[in-house]
Amino acid sequence: DVKVTQSSRYLVKRTGEKVFLECVQDMDHENMFWYRQDPGLGLRLIYFSYDVKMKEKGDIPEGYSVSREKKERFSLILESASTNQTSMYLCASSLSGQHLYGYTFGSGTRLTVV
Amino acid sequence: GQNIDQPTEMTATEGAIVQINCTYQTSGFNGLFWYQQHAGEAPTFLSYNVLDGLEEKGRFSSFLSRSKGYSYLLLKELQMKDSASYLCAGTYNNNDMRFGAGTRLTVKP
Repeated sequence: DVKVTQSSRYLVKRTGEKVFLECVQDMDHENMFWYRQDPGLGLRLIYFSYDVKMKEKGDIPEGYSVSREKKERFSLILESASTNQTSMYLCASSLSGQHLYGYTFGSGTRLTVV
Repeated sequence: GQNIDQPTEMTATEGAIVQINCTYQTSGFNGLFWYQQHAGEAPTFLSYNVLDGLEEKGRFSSFLSRSKGYSYLLLKELQMKDSASYLCAGTYNNNDMRFGAGTRLTVKP
């Protein structure tokens, strides 16, 4: 089974802190994604990557950056956490050009910024 | 953006049938996914439609009409464990996947 592992299930950070959310997948997927999920808004794409060292902005990249130094790892960085970044963060991966099984999601990180 | 619209909440009775509708923007559209998400858990894949018509998979079926920008997920013989959010998602252009806000389904005894 494909596994996407997010390093933390729950995280509490202070306003202004730099926050790292880590995501690792073990099935050699080319594509990796970061979403945030908020009630009534669904999943919104923050950043995605189709290859190592490649990154593309999604719909809501402001306040975030990403790093993909290795194929299996895609990190989301909150440069200076703010309370409006309190949310559920979901990482996902997929094979390039393979839509049949969609994305495989991690279990999510519920981030609270106080 | 690619608007994906679905109802916010639905309620149904155990053993019944429920249909969850989804409309989407057709420009650049590739295919349509349905995911199930239980509270506090990750979304899990249910179905994928790229051609018009009905795809049946056990108690769950998914329908797509490309010309109308319309899909539905049909759940038969509802069970209590089917209480979850159901996410409609469309893939567009360069494999971007866009999600609706999700439909929270409550199954009552």
